[in-house]
Amino acid sequence: QKEVEQDPGPLSVPEGAIVSLNCTYSNSAFQYFMWYRQYSRKGPELLMYTYSSGNKEDGRFTAQVDKSSKYISLFIRDSQPSDSATYLCAMIRAGTALIFGKGTTLSVSS
Amino acid sequence: EPEVTQTPSHQVTQMGQEVILRCVPISNHLYFYWYRQILGQKVEFLVSFYNNEISEKSEIFDDQFSVERPDGSNFTLKIRSTKLEDSAMYFCASRPTGPEQYFGPGTRLTVT
Repeated sequence: QKEVEQDPGPLSVPEGAIVSLNCTYSNSAFQYFMWYRQYSRKGPELLMYTYSSGNKEDGRFTAQVDKSSKYISLFIRDSQPSDSATYLCAMIRAGTALIFGKGTTLSVSS
Repeated sequence: EPEVTQTPSHQVTQMGQEVILRCVPISNHLYFYWYRQILGQKVEFLVSFYNNEISEKSEIFDDQFSVERPDGSNFTLKIRSTKLEDSAMYFCASRPTGPEQYFGPGTRLTVT
């Protein structure tokens, strides 16, 4: 079983839709949960991170962690064409190395 | 806003040649990383560096790889004898004392 699983999509939505992106993980030792956005041939850009179970909101983005289910989500409200990118979940267990999911490609059409 | 920078943006080299990829981390950050991303695959951790020494490395980071912080600003990744399978995007990242890592734009390495 892979440590971090993420549906690669692609996911296509109309402008203004609510987007839900998800990852599951197998290792209960993961402590920090991050979401990055990556445009084609660019470096990952940190969107937000959480430490414990619960929700964290930043503008149109909400990150949710459910440690009991080993499941994390990123919700994007009022999606815009500029949100079209690949979204990567990443996690940290002991040490500081990020373990990434494969990424979900999102396309928002106007 | 400060950012991680990397040079070159694209490097083409022949198999067996040595390459050095360069990074300038964000100035007040203490921890430095290299990751790679083979086309179509996930971002993979290579090595972390703190206080002038390697603090963690992955199985990918074998004897062909080395890292160095030659001065107060640069952080380099050297691949001694490149193989075709080393072709990938290489990302440098840095972080302050918290867990959030900030990535550079990457160097695309093409080994022919």
